[in-house]
Amino acid sequence: GENVEQHPSTLSVQEGDSAVIKCTYSDSASNYFPWYKQELGKRPQLIIDIRSNVGEKKDQRIAVTLNKTAKHFSLHITETQPEDSAVYFCAASITFSDMRFGAGTRLTVKP
Amino acid sequence: GAVVSQHPSRVICKSGTSVKIECRSLDFQATTMFWYRQFPKKSLMLMATSNEGSKATYEQGVEKDKFLINHASLTLSTLTVTSAHPEDSSFYICSAPGTNTGELFFGEGSRLTVL
Repeated sequence: GENVEQHPSTLSVQEGDSAVIKCTYSDSASNYFPWYKQELGKRPQLIIDIRSNVGEKKDQRIAVTLNKTAKHFSLHITETQPEDSAVYFCAASITFSDMRFGAGTRLTVKP
Repeated sequence: GAVVSQHPSRVICKSGTSVKIECRSLDFQATTMFWYRQFPKKSLMLMATSNEGSKATYEQGVEKDKFLINHASLTLSTLTVTSAHPEDSSFYICSAPGTNTGELFFGEGSRLTVL
């Protein structure tokens, strides 16, 4: 089955700096790669996703890149703000039933 | 967007008792829902796929007699932790795919503490 690895496990940046979180996946058939943000004690919420027919997608300060050949994808947050502090999970799947999540990255943005 | 509601958000029970957690899709129908377990500072581990009108599909290593799943209607799935033990204490969270969005929506989660 799919195996997703995520790095780093913790990331601390200064407000205004950029943050990058990287994930690799094992199943070359995976074609859907979402990123979720989870604040403490709350539900994960989708912040951006990308499908395998696209190499890059951007939504304001958030962007995701996908390298299918290398089987890795990354989340980029620019101009970070304290409210970006949360745990971020990447995931990879073909269908929702086989969606597997990375271990998570705890991002701290220092004011 | 679609809303998935989970209840209760917190529950404390004694060892040996059973606890039921509900997951509802409020404004859409969900023939499939997913149940996860999340340990502190860890990722979401899929426990089972709940299928409306048929048996749930459990992931390897998840005891189906321990974690009973019932998908009674197109908007409700329940997870019952039977004969709970302290090691069952965890954060349980459900999700359902949106009808037209292709997006997975999560419930608020339920924190179970077994004394």
